[in-house]
Amino acid sequence: DQQVKQNSPSLSVQEGRISILNCDYTNSMFDYFLWYKKYPAEGPTFLISISSIKDKNEDGRFTVFLNKSAKHLSLHIVPSQPGDSAVYFCAARHSGNTPLVFGKGTRLSVIA
Amino acid sequence: EAQVTQNPRYLITVTGKKLTVTCSQNMNHEYMSWYRQDPGLGLRQIYYSMNVEVTDKGDVPEGYKVSRKEKRNFPLILESPSPNQTSLYFCASRRTGQGNSQPQHFGDGTRLSIL
Repeated sequence: DQQVKQNSPSLSVQEGRISILNCDYTNSMFDYFLWYKKYPAEGPTFLISISSIKDKNEDGRFTVFLNKSAKHLSLHIVPSQPGDSAVYFCAARHSGNTPLVFGKGTRLSVIA
Repeated sequence: EAQVTQNPRYLITVTGKKLTVTCSQNMNHEYMSWYRQDPGLGLRQIYYSMNVEVTDKGDVPEGYKVSRKEKRNFPLILESPSPNQTSLYFCASRRTGQGNSQPQHFGDGTRLSIL
């Protein structure tokens, strides 16, 4: 049973446009959500997070939106740049220092 | 520089030959964990450790062992590796406390091939 789902394995976006990566979760106990970015031959790097008490968190070109009623979160990248091309993982956990649960990832390609 | 260091980065070995992948972090993090990444399956947790001498199974612990004798080190042990353990492995660490909002820092990965 997959608790964190990224239903789009890949996404292609033109440079300068908005990239929207989506993530759905099933466990209503999750209260902390993160996005990681992964380049080939490197480990995932933390990008941005959001707590369940918020519905939006912004950091430069990256914004994460959380819709708790729909159990859905999304990552917006605007404007998209070629260096954003990577695999993006959505992850979630609930309180009590429980393990992170990852989605399967979405490969973003930003085309110049 | 704050980092999580895994060794080796690449290893090709044969079925049944015991191997250990080391993981060390220099950030004094309490929490450490091991993941494997397989095509189409994303990152799946193998084992995690909340602190020294405290370890717990993740989602896919079969065939693996871990130990946490020191805070900075969290080795992953394959006592009798099999081909289905061929994968890309990541070690990660983070602080505990301060609520729930501590992201994990990952190593650069270890690619294991078991023939």
